[in-house]
Amino acid sequence: KAGVTQTPRYLIKTRGQQVTLSCSPISGHRSVSWYQQTPGQGLQFLFEYFSETQRNKGNFPGRFSGRQFSNSRSEMNVSTLELGDSALYLCASSLAAGPEAFFGQGTRLTVV
Amino acid sequence: AQKVTQAQTEISVVEKEDVTLDCVYETRDTTYYLFWYKQPPSGELVFLIRRNSFDEQNEISGRYSWNFQKSTSSFNFTITASQVVDSAVYFCALTSGAGSYQLTFGKGTKLSVIP
Repeated sequence: KAGVTQTPRYLIKTRGQQVTLSCSPISGHRSVSWYQQTPGQGLQFLFEYFSETQRNKGNFPGRFSGRQFSNSRSEMNVSTLELGDSALYLCASSLAAGPEAFFGQGTRLTVV
Repeated sequence: AQKVTQAQTEISVVEKEDVTLDCVYETRDTTYYLFWYKQPPSGELVFLIRRNSFDEQNEISGRYSWNFQKSTSSFNFTITASQVVDSAVYFCALTSGAGSYQLTFGKGTKLSVIP
């Protein structure tokens, strides 16, 4: 059974640009969550989607957005990139009925 | 608000030693779930265990064991006879599962096992 797939694995962007990250959950999983990991702040929750609806959102500015498609795949977008957005972005998928979250390998974003 | 504290930032042990990683949590919810994840250098968070708030049984899986004590709000993780492959950052996490499975993570403990 394939795990959570995140693409791309690495990205380098310039300040002010926007970026889209993609996440394909484990087959059968309908919930997708996104987390940002930085050395200073650790792992912070961005948002959670279930059946194409945003179920919860973390304390991040509106520049961070996401969506989920009917096949449960999810994308997150960051507009007007700032240097502080450099981080490892992790996607996790969960079954509808259980809290176990299984993570992908992440997308490492570097903003220069 | 929920909070997870992992007081040990870094631990170094010699191979074959036992090591315990501490986790203390705070929550007002009566139903909640606790987790441990392992993050190797590759970056992926690997799920190790889930424990429900209503199940205080300790658990052993091979060289890994977990001690859940609601009285002290702790969920500690012990690796017996550590191996070099155990070197990683370990995270403790918490969710209430009430309408959302948002995880609150501790800051992590970096474990280095020296051969």
